[in-house]
Amino acid sequence: GDSVTQMEGPVTLSEEACLTINCTYTATGYPSLFWYVQYPGEGLQLLLKATKADDKGSNKGFEATYRKETTSFHLEKGSVQVSDSAVYFCALSYMNYGGSQGNLIFGKGTKLSVKP
Amino acid sequence: GAVVSQHPSWVICKSGTSVKIECRSLDFQATTMFWYRQFPKQSLMLMATSNEGSKATYEQGVEKDKFLINHASLTLSTLTVTSAHPEDSSFYICSARGISRITYEQYFGPGTRLTVT
Repeated sequence: GDSVTQMEGPVTLSEEACLTINCTYTATGYPSLFWYVQYPGEGLQLLLKATKADDKGSNKGFEATYRKETTSFHLEKGSVQVSDSAVYFCALSYMNYGGSQGNLIFGKGTKLSVKP
Repeated sequence: GAVVSQHPSWVICKSGTSVKIECRSLDFQATTMFWYRQFPKQSLMLMATSNEGSKATYEQGVEKDKFLINHASLTLSTLTVTSAHPEDSSFYICSARGISRITYEQYFGPGTRLTVT
């Protein structure tokens, strides 16, 4: 079945360092790919998404490109801030007939800690 | 827009008692709601999917008699953990999806921390 694998954490970086969180997926079809962020004690928020191969999702300085050839959707940011400290989840889903998002399949999450 | 709330945010209950968690879509009609369970250092596990007015669909391995889900209106779903045990202690997160284009994706609640003593 479909699955998402992301790098184990925790990841600890200094402020202004570059970030890459690897995510690869296994899919039987052509899913949409997502990154969600969970700040301490909160629920999940959609950070960015890409719906087809070669699409690039971006938000708040984060970006990820849907790479079909490597089945990857790595999350990157050029300069992290302390406020980026959170758990990041990679996920995939298929679009339902009618356009709504289908069930999400999540990776295990990667905890990021950014030190000042 | 597309805000989902959960109540309570945290709850402590004694073993053997039942506890109800509410999930509300505050500014949109949620035709589908999802309940997840999150263990420490692990990903979210989908427990069940509920459509308004229908019985919930439970994922394999989730006890439907233990985790009762009700989705009686387009803005409210409840999860009741019956006869709770310490192993039910976890972080429970709901999400909601609507029928308009701006609510086609799942919007997540802030979660409920359940501790069973």
